Amino acid sequence: QKEVEQNSGPLSVPEGAIASLNCTYSDRGSQSFFWYRQYSGKSPELIMSIYSNGDKEDGRFTAQLNKASQYVSLLIRDSQPSDSATYLCAVNPIYQKVTFGIGTKLQVIP
Amino acid sequence: DAGITQSPRHKVTETGTPVTLRCHQTENHRYMYWYRQDPGHGLRLIHYSYGVKDTDKGEVSDGYSVSRSKTEDFLLTLESATSSQTSVYFCAISDPTDPRANTEAFFGQGTRLTVV
Repeated sequence: QKEVEQNSGPLSVPEGAIASLNCTYSDRGSQSFFWYRQYSGKSPELIMSIYSNGDKEDGRFTAQLNKASQYVSLLIRDSQPSDSATYLCAVNPIYQKVTFGIGTKLQVIP
Repeated sequence: DAGITQSPRHKVTETGTPVTLRCHQTENHRYMYWYRQDPGHGLRLIHYSYGVKDTDKGEVSDGYSVSRSKTEDFLLTLESATSSQTSVYFCAISDPTDPRANTEAFFGQGTRLTVV
């Protein structure tokens, strides 16, 4: 079992819809959780971090964490074609050694 | 953008030759990382450094070595390049205020390495 699991996609959503990206992790001791966005041919950039159970909102993005279920999600409201990218879930089971999922490719259809 | 520069950006090398990739930062961040990114595997940690001359292995360290003689530079060396090391290599930096926690990492532009 991989430490961080993501569906590679592609996940296709129409413009204006909510995109829901999901991630599960195996190490119950993990404390920090991140979502990175990576455009094709570019480097990853952080869009959300979350450290405690519940929801964290930043603009159109909401990160959700459920440690009991070992589940992290990212919701993108009012999806735009510019949101089309690969979204990487990252977890740190051991401090300072972040583990990434393979990423989910999101396609927003105009 | 965080001040991270990777060099070279692209390289083609022959099997069996040594290759060194350089990561240079101007942010004075304590932690530096080398990742490789491959289709179907995502980003995998090769080595990381938590200070000058302080390094540790990641999950895919075989065939790679690193050195950090200055805060700003972190070198990744492929001792004898193989075709399986064809990949995109990313350097990243972070600067946690609490070593037990984690803060966001900032990534360099990447180096595309092809071993023929």
